[in-house]
Amino acid sequence: DAKTTQPPSMDCAEGRAANLPCNHSTISGNEYVYWYRQIHSQGPQYIIHGLKNNETNEMASLIITEDRKSSTLILPHATLRDTAVYYCIVRSTSGTYKYIFGTGTRLKVLA
Amino acid sequence: DGGITQSPKYLFRKEGQNVTLSCEQNLNHDAMYWYRQDPGQGLRLIYYSQIVNDFQKGDIAEGYSVSREKKESFPLTVTSAQKNPTAFYLCASSIGASGGASQYFGPGTRLTVL
Repeated sequence: DAKTTQPPSMDCAEGRAANLPCNHSTISGNEYVYWYRQIHSQGPQYIIHGLKNNETNEMASLIITEDRKSSTLILPHATLRDTAVYYCIVRSTSGTYKYIFGTGTRLKVLA
Repeated sequence: DGGITQSPKYLFRKEGQNVTLSCEQNLNHDAMYWYRQDPGQGLRLIYYSQIVNDFQKGDIAEGYSVSREKKESFPLTVTSAQKNPTAFYLCASSIGASGGASQYFGPGTRLTVL
């Protein structure tokens, strides 16, 4: 069972920031939050991950709440090429190391 | 360029035939994974391997088999025992199997069983 909850779909205007929320209220202290995206019929693309602190890279920012029960992926200036399904995943640092994918959020960037 | 290759991109087989999907990586990653994706769904783990000559079942291993004879290769065989083999199959690898090691995915193989 997926340990994350995401809205099924979102729209965002081109050039604006896209804020994608994720609820992971049962997250454990040793579990990372990962974000991937999948453009139709392609393999998922890694975006960013974090444990406790907020993270930023060239693609996005990840904001994790202090209690770690939710997070937000921010695409600062969305483009049409950012249209994809975005997956929020929690992953343990021990055990089977597997990702548990939910159904994700389908983001549509509008011109 | 380093990366993961899967071939072929599209594969068609008759019901009852075994088929092997190829996955090769030149990233020098120790861990490799196979996932299955059905329409509108997330990915589900079939098998994973943390090191050469070792692999473990994932959540939906029935009807599938794998081998890991070389670090760079992790082929998946879909056997006739798999009841619903038509799906999108994705291979991934990571530098290690710890929770902080990101997985990188190949482009996928879409298998259709007629």
